[in-house]
Amino acid sequence: AQSVTQLDSHVSVSEGTPVLLRCNYSSSYSPSLFWYVQHPNKGLQLLLKYTSAATLVKGINGFEAEFKKSETSFHLTKPSAHMSDAAEYFCVVSEGATSGTYKYIFGTGTRLKVLA
Amino acid sequence: NAGVTQTPKFQVLKTGQSMTLQCAQDMNHNSMYWYRQDPGMGLRLIYYSASEGTTDKGEVPNGYNVSRLNKREFSLRLESAAPSQTSVYFCASSDPRGLDSTDTQYFGPGTRLTVL
Repeated sequence: AQSVTQLDSHVSVSEGTPVLLRCNYSSSYSPSLFWYVQHPNKGLQLLLKYTSAATLVKGINGFEAEFKKSETSFHLTKPSAHMSDAAEYFCVVSEGATSGTYKYIFGTGTRLKVLA
Repeated sequence: NAGVTQTPKFQVLKTGQSMTLQCAQDMNHNSMYWYRQDPGMGLRLIYYSASEGTTDKGEVPNGYNVSRLNKREFSLRLESAAPSQTSVYFCASSDPRGLDSTDTQYFGPGTRLTVL
């Protein structure tokens, strides 16, 4: 079975400094991996997706993630944090399900706090 | 396009009461999903429907039933609500067998349910 581990439940950064949110996955084959963001009392928005086309994936709002098979990692980064980045971030792996569809396995989330 | 919509946004129930959460999508997606979100646990899959006419259990199906009413609508029913079902519920849809053949899921805004 596939699984996802988000290594930090909370991360605090100062505005203008780099962001690093860490995610490790376990998969028996080449997975689809995602990062979603959830702002307070909102739904989930897709930040980016890895599907084996390129190991460095660029997403919205200046975020990017690098797939490292040897380390089974898919860490999310941003060069310079903005106050509006304060939210909860979820790392997700997709696995095949019955009837030809796919299921998501979610990490437990990382809450990002941005300090002024 | 509205994407994925959910009703109601908020609901308070007493233990033992029943209710149905509604979800609709206007993206012509085949697959739909129900999740619950609890603090520190990420999102967990309750039920999913790969296509119209099929439903399958996810990770935490006990205490819930679902109906895939048609291609657009997927409802979640709590027959006898319990305090342990206090949570935020999210509906999602995807189209892995569509033209884009993508397993990306798109989420609704959520329903915040409290069971007293």
